[in-house]
Amino acid sequence: EVQLVESGGGLVQPGGSLRLSCAASGFTFSSYAMAWVRQAPGKGLEWVSGISDSGGRTYYADSVKGRFTISRDNSKNTVYMEVKSLRGEDTALYYCAKDLYSGSGSTVASWGQGTLVTVSS
Amino acid sequence: DIQMTQSPSSLSASAGDRVTITCRASQTIRNYLNWFQQKPGKAPKLLIYAASSLQSGVPSRFSGSGSGTDFTLTISSLQPEDFATYYCQQSYSAPYTFGQGTKLEIK
Repeated sequence: EVQLVESGGGLVQPGGSLRLSCAASGFTFSSYAMAWVRQAPGKGLEWVSGISDSGGRTYYADSVKGRFTISRDNSKNTVYMEVKSLRGEDTALYYCAKDLYSGSGSTVASWGQGTLVTVSS
Repeated sequence: DIQMTQSPSSLSASAGDRVTITCRASQTIRNYLNWFQQKPGKAPKLLIYAASSLQSGVPSRFSGSGSGTDFTLTISSLQPEDFATYYCQQSYSAPYTFGQGTKLEIK
């Protein structure tokens, strides 16, 4: 059974940084792309970032480009997202998700339960 | 970026009804279209990928169709557990944008 467990969220001041982690199990991690999708309180889904199976290709939403960095460690079955220069509009539940394929995190079939990031002074 | 527009934004229906939700892309996305269901307090669930392929474990009352810019999700006979919010998402080019959602409520 696929399991994705996110961690690293919390309360942070505007301009601050966090590192989100997602520990994966139940599948061959190095064979699948991964993604982060967020949902602001009471709002819809926003695809944030994706990474290929090898980690060689990364993709970002315009709203986070230059501030967020996705990476993965296939030896640890973990995907990360460094989030910097945080703004109030980054407040959201951040989901880690597994792609159906190896490519880019475009078609996510399995989801974690999310880690909450709150940006506030 | 590709914009995805769903209609309606909300919909009231009764158990047993046939329901259709539409999604329009701002440019052609061929058949790179996914549908998700989300219930309150839960992570989203993939229902349909590649416009019409049913994800494993999803009941056959769910179906998807369309290509190019116009797509539909159809639930053939609503069950009580189907009342939720539904999202379309294009998987054609990054960033892989979602529609704004359609909330399906009990009439």
